[in-house]
Amino acid sequence: EAGVVQSPRYKIIEKKQPVAFWCNPISGHNTLYWYRQNLGQGPELLIRYENEEAVDDSQLPKDRFSAERLKGVDSTLKIQPAELGDSAVYLCASSPGQGKNYGYTFGSGTRLTVV
Amino acid sequence: QKEVEQDPGPLSVPEGAIVSLNCTYSNSAFQYFMWYRQYSRKGPELLMYTYSSGNKEDGRFTAQVDKSSKYISLFIRDSQPSDSATYLCAMSKGGSEKLVFGKGTKLTVNP
Repeated sequence: EAGVVQSPRYKIIEKKQPVAFWCNPISGHNTLYWYRQNLGQGPELLIRYENEEAVDDSQLPKDRFSAERLKGVDSTLKIQPAELGDSAVYLCASSPGQGKNYGYTFGSGTRLTVV
Repeated sequence: QKEVEQDPGPLSVPEGAIVSLNCTYSNSAFQYFMWYRQYSRKGPELLMYTYSSGNKEDGRFTAQVDKSSKYISLFIRDSQPSDSATYLCAMSKGGSEKLVFGKGTKLTVNP
């Protein structure tokens, strides 16, 4: 079974430029999460989807960040415009959902560097 | 005060040592407790998963949860160089809700 797939693995952009990250969760997993991990810190939730619906986006900086999960499968996270402080690893995770919390499965992440 | 506190280390031990990793938390609503292992430039990988209080053992790994003290532990027996990684504790209130992570403890097991 394929795990959570993210692309690209690495991205270097200049500040004020846009950037997008893509995630394909484990097949059949209804719940999808985007986390951000700063250097030396644990991941922090940006947004959680139950199928197509964003049910927790309270920590998503909505002035510059947006996300979508069309058809309840793949998801895209976008930053526009990027700032220096956005440099971090962006992790996607998925879980079976429907109250079944057996722990998430994370992807390998996208390492973003804003210069 | 952060919801989850974890000593970031670093922790360096010789091969074969018993390793003890710990986290404390402040939110009594947490019901699910997890330990993740993260190798450099990789995503976190689920190691242990515990619901509510108690102990859970899986091979060389033992997870303990003491909800009365708001304290969780991970023990690694007969540590191996391949155990060298960052260990993250995580917890949630339940269902599919968000995980709240500690900072992670960087462990190095020396041959």
